[in-house]
Amino acid sequence: GAVVSQHPSWVICKSGTSVKIECRSLDFQATTMFWYRQFPKQSLMLMATSNEGSKATYEQGVEKDKFLINHASLTLSTLTVTSAHPEDSSFYICSARLPRGYEDIQYFGAGTRLSVL
Amino acid sequence: AQSVTQPDIHITVSEGASLELRCNYSYGATPYLFWYVQSPGQGLQLLLKYFSGDTLVQGIKGFEAEFKRSQSSFNLRKPSVHWSDAAEYFCAVGTSGTYKYIFGTGTRLKVLA
Repeated sequence: GAVVSQHPSWVICKSGTSVKIECRSLDFQATTMFWYRQFPKQSLMLMATSNEGSKATYEQGVEKDKFLINHASLTLSTLTVTSAHPEDSSFYICSARLPRGYEDIQYFGAGTRLSVL
Repeated sequence: AQSVTQPDIHITVSEGASLELRCNYSYGATPYLFWYVQSPGQGLQLLLKYFSGDTLVQGIKGFEAEFKRSQSSFNLRKPSVHWSDAAEYFCAVGTSGTYKYIFGTGTRLKVLA
């Protein structure tokens, strides 16, 4: 149980175009999902917290107009990279929060590698 | 400030040898602690977690970790490493209220045949 699916796994796009990445919790409902960015050989940097039915909360320094997040259902959050540029190329990972009693665990998707040409 | 430190960026061990990956945290309240493993180009898989209770926790793939409050540590151990354990390992602390995780910088494990 607790499977998180992320799609696509790899996307290549031209500079100036927009790219949408989907994050789905397959076997549980997730009121909260998280979006991370990971640079090569580095740790995960939290970009934003996605809450179902409300606006996302962005971390300091993350452009909310560049990285649009929508959490329209309890199983789906999307990240849209708008007007992508080469510096947006990175590995993006989502996670879904699953509270179980007093435990609170994030389950991660497999990630999306974005390459902007 | 809340932080997680993994002092070892790279560790190389021979297959069959024991392993210990270090993790130190700084957090004002009772920490929720996690170890995740990431294979190249993949997401993160939960190895084990600590919320409360027994300070020695068992995880998947034969890993265990011990929470030591006095040392602010949560080191990951495995008695005998397999070649398939080669990966990146991340320690994380969960923050109450916001549910966010703070990740360490990771330790890359290389296993020699």
